[in-house]
Formats: sequence, structure tokens, C-alpha cells
Amino acid sequence: GQQLNQSPQSMFIQEGEDVSMNCTSSSIFNTWLWYKQEPGEGPVLLIALYKAGELTSNGRLTAQFGITRKDSFLNISASIPSDVGIYFCAGTYSGANNLFFGTGTRLTVIP
Amino acid sequence: GAGVSQSPSNKVTEKGKDVELRCDPISGHTALYWYRQSLGQGLEFLIYFQGNSAPDKSGLPSDRFSAERTGGSVSTLTIQRTQQEDSAVYLCASSLSRLSDTQYFGPGTRLTVL
Repeated sequence: GQQLNQSPQSMFIQEGEDVSMNCTSSSIFNTWLWYKQEPGEGPVLLIALYKAGELTSNGRLTAQFGITRKDSFLNISASIPSDVGIYFCAGTYSGANNLFFGTGTRLTVIP
Repeated sequence: GAGVSQSPSNKVTEKGKDVELRCDPISGHTALYWYRQSLGQGLEFLIYFQGNSAPDKSGLPSDRFSAERTGGSVSTLTIQRTQQEDSAVYLCASSLSRLSDTQYFGPGTRLTVL
């Protein structure tokens, strides 16, 4: 199947710091998505990107669809304790019936 | 309104037994997906249902895995003769009609095979 490389695997940061994580794929995608998963819950969609070069924000979160269409990044500014969780990138291409997920970035915010 | 629900939330079974996992999608959503999430891993696609079309079963890891969707709503994922490597969280998601529509995930069923 599709290989999505997500980094870093985990991050420990101080409250108030900015966070950046990224994802690369072996194939060209036409959709990139970023999800957050908290313990005992399913993933929740944070940001969806549909166009190469697109930069989209959702509050303190900003994500970009790379111009090569093989990568995406997510930034979180001024982190707060409730940002703790696992962040997954996901993507898909035309004709696919499913999303392909990265292995996740586990974020810990130290108050 | 109600989100995607799954039952049971936890299932512990013995190796070799069959298990059934249930998913109730959001009302009106025609697309339904099953994923598997192993410890420390991302989500692995298993199967996709869209309306009355034949499901896309390309992600099922073996013929011990099967799924049904009755009446275009509730779905059941069945694992026969469970193995220890089947232990994982099984997540169901639904979307309005297409893959490009937002997928809403249920809380998952944590399966442990002893």
C-alpha cells in the first residue's frame, strides 16, 4: 500500500511553543488531511487541503499542501495543554476508495 | 446529532474464536469505512461500502475477515478464527457520500486476542 512517512514520531514541548510536523508520500495525492486523536476516541478532522500550494488555517493550526503534491505540513502556534494527542496526516488520490494514514506524531505539552 | 457509534468498546477473546464488531454510521451517510489501528501505528484501510455498490474489500488482510452492511446502514465486521496479530483497535468511519466528504470516525473497538 501507500507509504506515508510522518515526522517526528513524538514531541515534548513547553506550553506556548510552536510545533511543526510533516508528512511525505511516495505518490502524488490530490487531498491531504490532518487529524487529531485523543485516548479512547476516533480521529477528528482538523484541516483538509485540496489544492497544491494551498495554505489553510483553523485557529492556531495551519497546514499546507506541498507544491510537489507529495508532502504536507502542520503547524500549531502557541501550544496549550489541550493540544496533547496524536496527530495523523492522511491523504488520497483520484480513484482511490480510502485514505492513507501516516504513523502519527504524539504531542506532549508541558505546562 | 448522534455521531458514529461502535460496539462493543472493548472485546477480549481467545485465539481461534470468532468475533463480530458493529458500526452504526451517521444517519444519511451512504459511505462507510473500516480501518484497523495497531499499537503505535497509523490507520490501515480494511473495507469501504458505498450505497448499494459492491464493497471495496481490497484492504482485508486475509479471508478470515469479512464485513456486511445491511440496509445501507449498520455494518458488521467479522473476524473468524482470531489470531493474536488481530489485536488492534478497529475504527469505523462514515461520510456523506464520497471519499472527498469529511469522514467522521467512531470511538473504535479495542480487540485483544489472548
